[in-house]
Amino acid sequence: NAGVMQNPRHLVRRRGQEARLRCSPMKGHSHVYWYRQLPEEGLKFMVYLQKENIIDESGMPKERFSAEFPKEGPSILRIQQVVRGDSAAYFCASSPGRDRVSEQFFGPGTRLTVL
Amino acid sequence: DAKTTQPPSMDCAEGRAANLPCNHSTISGNEYVYWYRQIHSQGPQYIIHGLKNNETNEMASLIITEDRKSSTLILPHATLRDTAVYYCIVRPRNNAGNMLTFGGGTRLMVKP
Repeated sequence: NAGVMQNPRHLVRRRGQEARLRCSPMKGHSHVYWYRQLPEEGLKFMVYLQKENIIDESGMPKERFSAEFPKEGPSILRIQQVVRGDSAAYFCASSPGRDRVSEQFFGPGTRLTVL
Repeated sequence: DAKTTQPPSMDCAEGRAANLPCNHSTISGNEYVYWYRQIHSQGPQYIIHGLKNNETNEMASLIITEDRKSSTLILPHATLRDTAVYYCIVRPRNNAGNMLTFGGGTRLMVKP
């Protein structure tokens, strides 16, 4: 049973470019969460999605960031016009469902570097 | 979510038990205690969770005090690969928000 997959593992972008981060949840999991970890800091929640729905985006910056989890395919975290402050590790997690929702399984992360 | 307090760092000798404390004095009746760890440069890993009874799995044991205001995560025979930051999180099991709130955690260093 494959775990949560994220790609790319490392992403380098220049200021002003777009970054697209992908997350494939564990098989059978329909809940996806995105977290961001700045250097030397703890993880901060960004957004919680179920298939085709954003449930909670209270941790998302108001501009340039968006997320989706389509009916088919991986969840995508999109950052437009990246700035140096977006450099961080972005982790995706998935969970089986509401009765086990806090048993979140994390992927290996995507490390975004903005030059 | 209820706040937790953990020591910022601890050392443990390889092969000995590592006992990681967590204070959660404002925990409410429907909140569980969860433990995750993050090994350097990896995603967090779920370890164990409990409500009021002590719990044990293949990774660790969780001891929760009778008043539920504190708990201890026990790694019975720590190895070098257990070096990581350990996070104690209290939250309802089925809360609508669903996100995990990570505090500072305890940086455990297992030494040979």
